[in-house]
Amino acid sequence: QVQLVQSGAEVKKPGSSVKVSCRASGGTFGSHAISWVRQAPGQGLEWMGRVIPVVDTVNYAQNFQGRVTITADRSTSTAYMEMSSLRPEDTAVYYCARGLSFDVSNFDYWGQGTLVTVSS
Amino acid sequence: EIVLTQSPGTLSLSPGERATLSCRASQSVNSYLAWYQQKPGQAPRLLIYDASNRATGTPARFSGSGSGTDFTLTISSVEPEDFAVYYCQQRGNWPPITFGQGTRLEIK
Repeated sequence: QVQLVQSGAEVKKPGSSVKVSCRASGGTFGSHAISWVRQAPGQGLEWMGRVIPVVDTVNYAQNFQGRVTITADRSTSTAYMEMSSLRPEDTAVYYCARGLSFDVSNFDYWGQGTLVTVSS
Repeated sequence: EIVLTQSPGTLSLSPGERATLSCRASQSVNSYLAWYQQKPGQAPRLLIYDASNRATGTPARFSGSGSGTDFTLTISSVEPEDFAVYYCQQRGNWPPITFGQGTRLEIK
């Protein structure tokens, strides 16, 4: 049974950074892409980027390029999303999600979500 | 960037009725269109991928159709547990992967 377990809620000041983790258990970490998707309160879903751990390939949405860094540690089966220069409008639930297969970005398993609140 | 437009914004139905949800892409995504269900406080759940393939565990009352720019999710007979928000998602032309804005299925 595949599970993605994310780190806990964060409260951050504008201009600071946050790093959210996503630890996978079950399945084969590395052979599936892990994407990060965020959802602002009462809003829809926004794809941020993904990593394929087995080949260390990372792709970003242009909206987040330069401000978001996505990495993966195969030794601990954990993916990370770090966002810098936080703004109040970055307040959202951040999800990690596993792709169906190596390069298929439809998401069959999701983490429980991490609420990041940006407020002064 | 491919824009996905879902209609209607809200669909009000009674249990047992047929639900038809639409997703239109701003340019062709071939058949690389998926549908998700999201309930309050929960992560999305994959229902349909590649336009018409049911994901593991998706009940047979859910079906998907379409290709190119026009897609439909049909629930043949809505069950009480189906009232939720539904999102379409494309991977036909990316990055970025994009989602529609959602259709809320509510109890009439």
